[in-house]
Amino acid sequence: GQNIDQPTEMTATEGAIVQINCTYQTSGFNGLFWYQQHAGEAPTFLSYNVLDGLEEKGRFSSFLSRSKGYSYLLLKELQMKDSASYLCAVFNQGGKLIFGQGTELSVKP
Amino acid sequence: DGGITQSPKYLFRKEGQNVTLSCEQNLNHDAMYWYRQDPGQGLRLIYYSQIVNDFQKGDIAEGYSVSREKKESFPLTVTSAQKNPTAFYLCASSPQGREGTDTQYFGPGTRLTVL
Repeated sequence: GQNIDQPTEMTATEGAIVQINCTYQTSGFNGLFWYQQHAGEAPTFLSYNVLDGLEEKGRFSSFLSRSKGYSYLLLKELQMKDSASYLCAVFNQGGKLIFGQGTELSVKP
Repeated sequence: DGGITQSPKYLFRKEGQNVTLSCEQNLNHDAMYWYRQDPGQGLRLIYYSQIVNDFQKGDIAEGYSVSREKKESFPLTVTSAQKNPTAFYLCASSPQGREGTDTQYFGPGTRLTVL
């Protein structure tokens, strides 16, 4: 079967750092995506990892370990506007994008 | 201004009626996709098309139909055979649709409610 696990909800404080984890078991692996989705809106692309290691893009970083089937999204200097759902998605061997259920992040003042 | 448009944003239909959701893109992308999003669940693939006049079933195609007569357009019809059609429907496109290499970009979505 194909499975992507993320925590359902997380809460963090404005200005802090938060790490959202994602573990996956899929039929093959061709890359992992992170998307941000505000309520009622379209998911927007944040990052793509296909090789092991850390990819940094401003306040957001994404890490991948293919041997562990594990990724995380790191958000620094949290702002209120970062309150959203964060979706982890894996391209499987068949070329389909498999999504986790998303992690709802609430940023408190 | 390039992008993906979906219309309408909200749609209400009576049970037993077919309804067609629009998706248009002017990004010159080859591949287009339809997903369904339900509360507490990940996005699930309904249909996808990697080239004009060709499309494939996704994981939950039953009760849905699509067409791809033009590169820019990929309309989705929700038929009366779909048992639980109320959901948030998202259309996406990617440049070339090759396995594992393309970022998918999403439209704003259509929230369908069947009464």
